Amino acid sequence: SQTIHQWPATLVQPVGSPLSLECTVEGTSNPNLYWYRQAAGRGLQLLFYSVGIGQISSEVPQNLSASRPQDRQFILSSKKLLLSDSGFYLCACTPHSVSTDTQYFGPGTRLTVL
Amino acid sequence: AQSVSQHNHHVILSEAASLELGCNYSYGGTVNLFWYVQYPGQHLQLLLKYFSGDPLVKGIKGFEAEFIKSKFSFNLRKPSVQWSDTAEYFCAVRLFSGGYNKLIFGAGTRLAVHP
Repeated sequence: SQTIHQWPATLVQPVGSPLSLECTVEGTSNPNLYWYRQAAGRGLQLLFYSVGIGQISSEVPQNLSASRPQDRQFILSSKKLLLSDSGFYLCACTPHSVSTDTQYFGPGTRLTVL
Repeated sequence: AQSVSQHNHHVILSEAASLELGCNYSYGGTVNLFWYVQYPGQHLQLLLKYFSGDPLVKGIKGFEAEFIKSKFSFNLRKPSVQWSDTAEYFCAVRLFSGGYNKLIFGAGTRLAVHP
C-alpha cells in the first residue's frame, strides 16, 4: 500500500520569504497527486493536482505554485510568503491516473507565516 | 458551483449517545461520496465510501452512512458513540471531471465525546 511522506512537519517563516514543501509517495506508480490547504472551519481546499510528471493544474489563483519533477514527488512553493499563506498543507494521492479509488493523505505540514 | 455542506460545525455528545452528522452536496451529475475522519494528531483517513449499489454503507468502527439521492444527502450515523470517536469528520464528494479524482470537501464537524 502507498505511503505519503511530507516534510517539514512544521515550519515558521517570515512574510516575504520563500517556501518549499515536499511530498513523496511510496508504494505506487504514476499516482495522481494533490495539494490541499486545511483551514479551521473551512474544510480542505484543493490547491493543485497533477496527473503526471510536469503536469500541474491549479484550482485557485494564489501566491503558491506546484511542481512535479519526478513521478512520486510533488513540491509546493512560493517565492514570497504572505500572512494569508499560513495553514495546514496536506498532500494526497490516488494510486492510478484514472481511478475510483480513495484518496490517501499524508501527515501534513503546519505553516505559520509571521 | 459544486459544494458540500456540513450542517454542524461542533457536536458534543456523551458516551453511548447516538450520532448523526449531516452532509448535503450540490451537483446534479454522478458522484461518489466519502466520509473522512481525522483523529487528534493523526492523518486524515477514510471512514467509509459510497460508489454504487446499496445506499446504506457500512464503514469502520461501527459507522454507517445513507445516500439519499433525492435529497442530495449522505448523512453519517453511529448508534452509540465512544470517547475514542472524538475527532473531526469531513464529508467529501468526488466529481467526475477530466479523468482525475477531484474531491470537494465540506467544512468539517468537530465531534467531542465526553465519558
